[in-house]
Amino acid sequence: AQSVDQPDAHVTLYEGASLELRCSYSYSAAPYLFWYVQYPGQSLQFLLKYITGDAVVKGTKGFEAEFRKSNSSFNLKKSPAHWSDSAKYFCALEVYGNEKITFGAGTKLTIKP
Amino acid sequence: EAAVTQSPRNKVTVTGGNVTLSCRQTNSHNYMYWYRQDTGHGLRLIHYSYGAGNLQIGDVPDGYKATRTTQEDFFLLLELASPSQTSLYFCASSERGSAETLYFGSGTRLTVL
Repeated sequence: AQSVDQPDAHVTLYEGASLELRCSYSYSAAPYLFWYVQYPGQSLQFLLKYITGDAVVKGTKGFEAEFRKSNSSFNLKKSPAHWSDSAKYFCALEVYGNEKITFGAGTKLTIKP
Repeated sequence: EAAVTQSPRNKVTVTGGNVTLSCRQTNSHNYMYWYRQDTGHGLRLIHYSYGAGNLQIGDVPDGYKATRTTQEDFFLLLELASPSQTSLYFCASSERGSAETLYFGSGTRLTVL
């Protein structure tokens, strides 16, 4: 069965630092991978996705993510971080042709000014 | 931008009660989804549909029914609500079922006493 692991429930950084949120997945074949963000009190918004092609994908709000097949990871990055990036971030996996998207438990990011 | 509207925003009911959560999307998307969000679990898929009259089983369907009456409207039904169903419920839609961005509603917070 497919699964997504976000090992860090909470990450705290100072503004201006580089952020990297970890995501690993379990699935034997080629995955579709997504990142979504949830600002406090709001719904989820799409950030970026990897379907095929270049391993580094760029998304909205200055974020990018790198797909690494070798260690089944899809980490989210941004530099520099801004206080407005404080939110909960979800990594998600879709199995090709499955139509179901599996979400990780999320990482709550706090950026201190 | 896709518009997904959920109602009500908040709902309180008692154990054994009957609850209907509503979702409407206005972008002619084919797929609609119901998720629940719980701390430590991220989002878990309850049911989804790829068109009016269609229903597909998600990952945590027990205790839930759903019905897609039109392309726009997708309802989640809890006929005998239990405290374990206290959660934040999100509806989402996408144009197609694979490799597509999900557009989320603002959520319904359900409390079962």
